[in-house]
Amino acid sequence: SQQGEEDPQALSIQEGENATMNCSYKTSINNLQWYRQNSGRGLVHLILIRSNEREKHSGRLRVTLDTSKKSSSLLITASRAADTASYFCATDAKDNFNKFYFGSGTKLNVKP
Amino acid sequence: DAGVIQSPRHEVTEMGQEVTLRCKPISGHNSLFWYRQTMMRGLELLIYFNNNVPIDDSGMPEDRFSAKMPNASFSTLKIQPSEPRDSAVYFCASRRTSGGAYNEQFFGPGTRLTVL
Repeated sequence: SQQGEEDPQALSIQEGENATMNCSYKTSINNLQWYRQNSGRGLVHLILIRSNEREKHSGRLRVTLDTSKKSSSLLITASRAADTASYFCATDAKDNFNKFYFGSGTKLNVKP
Repeated sequence: DAGVIQSPRHEVTEMGQEVTLRCKPISGHNSLFWYRQTMMRGLELLIYFNNNVPIDDSGMPEDRFSAKMPNASFSTLKIQPSEPRDSAVYFCASRRTSGGAYNEQFFGPGTRLTVL
């Protein structure tokens, strides 16, 4: 299966701290995306990184991609209580960029 | 832009009943996806359409599930007959694929289905 797997499954930190979540996948990709899901809501796209990119920034988010290790990390700096949510990575398949595989997610709890 | 619209937001039905979930993708998006999310199995792709044509339905669990996209602005996911194990949150997502592999998917708010 191409499915990405996030690690850790759950993370609890204090407001202001940084949060790091990891994703591993199995086969070659065109791109990897990170999504956030607040409890009871739909998924919100955070950032997309292409297979030929190594690092990407968006506001307080930093994503890295290591295609040799088939892994990615999402760093949220200076976390806020509003960042409390589940975070998912999604990978496509090299031969089918329309088929996305989602991991099981990391549940982040940021304590005020 | 209103985003992806799904209806109903919540559906409670009894086993054996027919259930129809509806989705309106973002205007201009030419790919539409149906996902199911459960605690046990996470987020699973059920089926996706390109330009209103079903491309891959390998994720549809069984013949009780069917999906249609009669035009670019509307899709349905039907379960007939429904069973308690179909209880889940069903998401619709759309995407503009004319740019190739590097466009994001936009998700709707989901339909929470409970089959008693």
